[in-house]
Amino acid sequence: DQQVKQNSPSLSVQEGRISILNCDYTNSMFDYFLWYKKYPAEGPTFLISISSIKDKNEDGRFTVFLNKSAKHLSLHIVPSQPGDSAVYFCAASASNYGQNFVFGPGTRLSVLP
Amino acid sequence: DADVTQTPRNRITKTGKRIMLECSQTKGHDRMYWYRQDPGLGLRLIYYSFDVKDINKGEISDGYSVSRQAQAKFSLSLESAIPNQTALYFCATSEGGRIGTQYFGPGTRLTVL
Repeated sequence: DQQVKQNSPSLSVQEGRISILNCDYTNSMFDYFLWYKKYPAEGPTFLISISSIKDKNEDGRFTVFLNKSAKHLSLHIVPSQPGDSAVYFCAASASNYGQNFVFGPGTRLSVLP
Repeated sequence: DADVTQTPRNRITKTGKRIMLECSQTKGHDRMYWYRQDPGLGLRLIYYSFDVKDINKGEISDGYSVSRQAQAKFSLSLESAIPNQTALYFCATSEGGRIGTQYFGPGTRLTVL
């Protein structure tokens, strides 16, 4: 049973609009979350993180929101650009996992010009 | 030069063959990881090492072994490859001491016939 879920395998958004990528988790012990972006033929690269003591973290066009009671986080990209087209992975960690991360299956974002 | 390198980048082998995937890093990180990525499943942890003398099994270690030859080198071996080990394999590194982001290599695409 997947502990980190990304229920949308793919998402298409028009350039300039907002992209919202969602992630749900089942383990209430998770207390640190990251988003990674992956282009074809490359490894994932870190995008943004949030710890459970916060409900929002912002970095430029990227904002991550965390709703602990719902065990849900989302990544907002505003405005979306064609270069944002990639696969986005949500990852979660807890101290009882030895600080290792559990990854979701990913969402493929396509930003259309 | 890339901070995390993996060799080979692509490999086709036959069932029953022994194969080694190699990872090197120049980031000076203590922690190294091996993941595999399968369609629809995201990245799953195979093995991880927090320093040269520390090796730990991850979620899916059966059929794999690892060697941490030095701080900068972490190898993954398939002693007797089988077709369901066909996947994309990623090496990653992170700093020790606290939860932090992981830095990924470009991946090795392995096909077992």
